[in-house]
Amino acid sequence: AQSVTQPDIHITVSEGASLELRCNYSYGATPYLFWYVQSPGQGLQLLLKYFSGDTLVQGIKGFEAEFKRSQSSFNLRKPSVHWSDAAEYFCAVVPPRGYQKVTFGTGTKLQVIP
Amino acid sequence: DTAVSQTPKYLVTQMGNDKSIKCEQNLGHDTMYWYKQDSKKFLKIMFSYNNKELIINETVPNRFSPKSPDKAHLNLHINSLELGDSAVYFCASSQDTAGTGRAFFGQGTRLTVV
Repeated sequence: AQSVTQPDIHITVSEGASLELRCNYSYGATPYLFWYVQSPGQGLQLLLKYFSGDTLVQGIKGFEAEFKRSQSSFNLRKPSVHWSDAAEYFCAVVPPRGYQKVTFGTGTKLQVIP
Repeated sequence: DTAVSQTPKYLVTQMGNDKSIKCEQNLGHDTMYWYKQDSKKFLKIMFSYNNKELIINETVPNRFSPKSPDKAHLNLHINSLELGDSAVYFCASSQDTAGTGRAFFGQGTRLTVV
């Protein structure tokens, strides 16, 4: 069964600092990979996704993520964090075939301090 | 114009009651989902419908019954509510059954059972 691990429950960074949120997955083949953001009181918004091809994907709001097959990882990065980035971030995977369901990680809560 | 809308946004009810959460999408998508987000922020899929047909039915109590009157609506009906049903429920939709297209989520319905 597929699974997603986000090892960091809570991360605090200073505004303007760089950010990396970790995501590791477990699946027999390379799944489709996603990062979602959930702002307080908001629904989930898709930041970026990886299906195939270039392993470095660009998303909205200045985020990017790099797929590393050897490490089964799909870490999310941002070079300079803004206060408005404070939110909960979820990594998710979808197997590449058939009727699929999205499996989410447990989330990483990002706090941004001035 | 809201893409995926859920009503109500907040729902407080007593144990044993029956309640429904409505979801509508105006994106013309074929597939709709219901997710439950527990107190630890973990998101788990409950149901998936494609063109009014049930595709995914995870292990949820029989008290939960999805109803899809048409492709644009997927309502969640819950009978005999229990304290453990307290959670945030998210509706989502996507264009294809693989969920590989961009999935749009509603803002969530916070259900509190007292």
